[in-house]
Amino acid sequence: AQKITQTQPGMFVQEKEAVTLDCTYDTSDPSYGLFWYKQPSSGEMIFLIYQGSYDQQNATEGRYSLNFQKARKSANLVISASQLGDSAMYFCAFRDSNYQLIWGAGTKLIIKP
Amino acid sequence: GAVVSQHPSRVICKSGTSVKIECRSLDFQATTMFWYRQFPKKSLMLMATSNEGSKATYEQGVEKDKFLINHASLTLSTLTVTSAHPEDSSFYICSATGGQGHNEQFFGPGTRLTVL
Repeated sequence: AQKITQTQPGMFVQEKEAVTLDCTYDTSDPSYGLFWYKQPSSGEMIFLIYQGSYDQQNATEGRYSLNFQKARKSANLVISASQLGDSAMYFCAFRDSNYQLIWGAGTKLIIKP
Repeated sequence: GAVVSQHPSRVICKSGTSVKIECRSLDFQATTMFWYRQFPKKSLMLMATSNEGSKATYEQGVEKDKFLINHASLTLSTLTVTSAHPEDSSFYICSATGGQGHNEQFFGPGTRLTVL
């Protein structure tokens, strides 16, 4: 069975610094997808970035980039130039062949002014 | 981008009553909708997957008769918590996918249910 792990329950980062949120997964499927979502205190889940298992390049979306290391089965989220509004819970999710998402435990990111 | 609405955003009810939560895809047709439950400071727990016009597929441990899911159209799914009890108090979130893009799920804003 697939498994996804976020080892950092919480992180404090100074504003304007870059931050890396860790995510590792375990699967034997050759085809899969990896997602990162942000959940602010208001509760809505906001899609940030996607990486497909066959994608040759790391995904990027504005200040978000995904450091995809397939052999290591890791898909870390990098946020450059962090802002106060980045404070939120961040969830890594693995999409299996049934298109269901398997969620990590989440990392609470707090940006300090 | 794709927008999913959820109503109500917050509901407080008495024990024993039933509560219906609506999830709508506003600008796309949702072939599949998902219902999640989230406990405080925890990750999302998938309750069920529903495809338009067919019965929902429930995850292990989720009571079908307790959590009734109807996906009557390509833009609407409902979750009814029947005979709610205080332990059903939680944050319920729906998501929808229409098969576009990376098949990403677009989430509603969630419903906070409090059962007294």
